[in-house]
Amino acid sequence: NAGVTQTPKFQVLKTGQSMTLQCAQDMNHNSMYWYRQDPGMGLRLIYYSASEGTTDKGEVPNGYNVSRLNKREFSLRLESAAPSQTSVYFCASLPGQGSWNTEAFFGQGTRLTVV
Amino acid sequence: AQSVTQLGSHVSVSEGALVLLRCNYSSSVPPYLFWYVQYPNQGLQLLLKYTSAATLVKGINGFEAEFKKSETSFHLTKPSAHMSDAAEYFCAVNESGGGADGLTFGKGTHLIIQP
Repeated sequence: NAGVTQTPKFQVLKTGQSMTLQCAQDMNHNSMYWYRQDPGMGLRLIYYSASEGTTDKGEVPNGYNVSRLNKREFSLRLESAAPSQTSVYFCASLPGQGSWNTEAFFGQGTRLTVV
Repeated sequence: AQSVTQLGSHVSVSEGALVLLRCNYSSSVPPYLFWYVQYPNQGLQLLLKYTSAATLVKGINGFEAEFKKSETSFHLTKPSAHMSDAAEYFCAVNESGGGADGLTFGKGTHLIIQP
């Protein structure tokens, strides 16, 4: 089925470990986003990629890096995980830059626990 | 800058009763407004959106919302609650023509349906 696929779905890391969260969409969308969801905080934007080859910081970028590998894939990397990065991470995609008046698609989320 | 305030982190209603979830926004330009629903351990699903057409917007599952510019509000309603409506609801805003920025989400309202 068409949509946004995130891997892994669950992950437990030790403090200081690194990992990459993967996101892929098969809808030929130009823009992709990474959000984190914390209880009582809603979703907050970490990084976004308006189009292939570009990335920009969102509201909470510290401790993260991203790569827009190609049009389909947008990965989020934690170089040295901290307990404060325990969260649920969502990837989203849009047809074009700022085209939120169309329908955005969200992945099912990655639940990350840092101990 | 855009922002969203959802009044009430938890709302409890009886099955069959009116559902009212409140959302107020702040935006320097006419906004796009959205309501998303999140069922336990799921991603986000779009309920409805306002994109400067009709001020009363109908969505899926019997929900609707009314855009009131004078009150900067976009409250979500459903005439008769069903047990299956129990979920987390997020209001979100994007300033039309706001470039590549993502959606700004409220902190969410957990809807509880009492039998």
